[in-house]
Amino acid sequence: QKEVEQNSGPLSVPEGAIASLNCTYSDRGSQSFFWYRQYSGKSPELIMSIYSNGDKEDGRFTAQLNKASQYVSLLIRDSQPSDSATYLCAVTRGAGSYQLTFGKGTKLSVIP
Amino acid sequence: DADVTQTPRNRITKTGKRIMLECSQTKGHDRMYWYRQDPGLGLRLIYYSFDVKDINKGEISDGYSVSRQAQAKFSLSLESAIPNQTALYFCATSESRGFEQYFGPGTRLTVT
Repeated sequence: QKEVEQNSGPLSVPEGAIASLNCTYSDRGSQSFFWYRQYSGKSPELIMSIYSNGDKEDGRFTAQLNKASQYVSLLIRDSQPSDSATYLCAVTRGAGSYQLTFGKGTKLSVIP
Repeated sequence: DADVTQTPRNRITKTGKRIMLECSQTKGHDRMYWYRQDPGLGLRLIYYSFDVKDINKGEISDGYSVSRQAQAKFSLSLESAIPNQTALYFCATSESRGFEQYFGPGTRLTVT
């Protein structure tokens, strides 16, 4: 069973701080990696995708990928209360697959 | 705006009833997916379709069936609903050459 592991949290950070969310995956063939944000009772919203080792920045969000360590992370700079949500990590199921395996999510709470 | 819509948004049904959840999209995407989300279990893939003539089972297809009526429409049926099918159901779409999936607003289904 290919798995995606995330710390369920809750992760609490003060407003303005950096939030760091982590994800590990078991399938070495996975090639594409995504972060989704899900507010309570709402649908997952794609916020970042990353395909190669290193960092990818988009506004206050930075995704980091290390395939050798099978590790993906999401950094949120200058965290805002509106960032309070559950963050889902998703990875493709092996080489060439378009199916995604999702982690169970990390709940982030940004304290004003 | 190109979008993914789901009907109904909420449904309460009784054990043994047949129900259908519908998904429509105006994104022009070829690929469509059905997921269910349960507290503590995350998002799990039920069925997916890469075009009108291509339908595939996901990891938890037992008790479900699907129909791809057109490129833009993908329906999920519960032939005989049971209480452990109570969950939040999401439809998602992706481009034929892309890995990013975009989710509809979800259907909250309760089976009593």
